[in-house]
Amino acid sequence: KNEVEQSPQNLTAQEGEFITINCSYSVGISALHWLQQHPGGGIVSLFMLSSGKKKHGRLIATINIQEKHSSLHITASHPRDSAVYICAANLLNFGNEKLTFGTGTRLTIIP
Amino acid sequence: NAGVTQTPKFQVLKTGQSMTLQCAQDMNHNSMYWYRQDPGMGLRLIYYSASEGTTDKGEVPNGYNVSRLNKREFSLRLESAAPSQTSVYFCASRQRGLETQYFGPGTRLLVL
Repeated sequence: KNEVEQSPQNLTAQEGEFITINCSYSVGISALHWLQQHPGGGIVSLFMLSSGKKKHGRLIATINIQEKHSSLHITASHPRDSAVYICAANLLNFGNEKLTFGTGTRLTIIP
Repeated sequence: NAGVTQTPKFQVLKTGQSMTLQCAQDMNHNSMYWYRQDPGMGLRLIYYSASEGTTDKGEVPNGYNVSRLNKREFSLRLESAAPSQTSVYFCASRQRGLETQYFGPGTRLLVL
């Protein structure tokens, strides 16, 4: 069982819809990351959070430490948001040096 | 400021051939990482280097070797490529004290 799990694996939505991608983890963490991988393959970091909520433009990331759960929301989704979204965590037993990754959520936004 | 660069972008090897994947970063980061990405699986750590002169095994090190040539460069070597090493390889770097990792564009490797 992977220590970091994401759902759904695939998500297709119409332009303008509100999107939620979920991430759960089974052990203690020091930080949770959301990354975006575009069809061209490049990976960029969107958020790093250890508590509460962060917002950047139409993207919002939240984390609930007690429930070991994080969500990534996209408001007013647009076709350019189509990408794979990856959740990753710094597990406490690995320290800050290593990230453990979820398998990703492939998001497709239809115009 | 190029960030993290990787060469080559794409490579085809025959089973048993060797090759070195190159990675360089110009952000003066201490830590560098090599990952592989396979369909249906999350990124998996092959090797990492917490500082110049040190390297450590990750989750899937078998069949690979690494060299932290200097603070900028971290190379990954396949001594005798196998079809199971067909994958997309990502290099990343991180500044000590900060958790965010910065990724290179990836190298797509096909072993026949």
